[in-house]
Amino acid sequence: AQTVTQSQPEMSVQEAETVTLSCTYDTSESDYYLFWYKQPPSRQMILVIRQEAYKQQNATENRFSVNFQKAAKSFSLKISDSQLGDAAMYFCASLFNSGGSNYKLTFGKGTLLTVNP
Amino acid sequence: ETGVTQTPRHLVMGMTNKKSLKCEQHLGHNAMYWYKQSAKKPLELMFVYNFKEQTENNSVPSRFSPECPNSSHLFLHLHTLQPEDSALYLCASSQVGGARYNEQFFGPGTRLTVL
Repeated sequence: AQTVTQSQPEMSVQEAETVTLSCTYDTSESDYYLFWYKQPPSRQMILVIRQEAYKQQNATENRFSVNFQKAAKSFSLKISDSQLGDAAMYFCASLFNSGGSNYKLTFGKGTLLTVNP
Repeated sequence: ETGVTQTPRHLVMGMTNKKSLKCEQHLGHNAMYWYKQSAKKPLELMFVYNFKEQTENNSVPSRFSPECPNSSHLFLHLHTLQPEDSALYLCASSQVGGARYNEQFFGPGTRLTVL
């Protein structure tokens, strides 16, 4: 079974500063995907960034980047130049193919990010 | 409407009531999902439908009954729920098949309170 651990229930950052959210995972699969999702107070969960496990290069999406350490099973999210709109619950998730076209997404408990003006 | 929509957004029900949650996706996807989000717990996958066929039932109690009449609509029928079933219920959809996994798109959720 896959597990995802987010050890930081809450984090805060000053506007325009950089913050890193931690995530570790455990899987016996060799082919899997990793994601960071953002859930603002309005509750619509949206994808922030994704990483394919077979890719060594860290994914980047504008101000969001990941530090993917496959051997350590670590997948942290770095938010640069933090903005007030970045305040949300952030979920780390892993996904593997459970057979055929079936995919199973496993989430961590989330990290609540507060951005201070 | 665009993306994934869910109705109602809020629902309060008694333990003896029967109600249904509705999800509709406007993305042309072929897979749909129900998740339960409780406070201080990870999102829990409840059901998965691929091509209208249920492919996953994650040990969900029978008081939750899913229905997927077509690839765009997903229902969750609720009957004799318990207070501990109070949670945010999220629907998601994705396109599966082929060599590449495509992301799941989530709806806004239904906040369910069981009295």
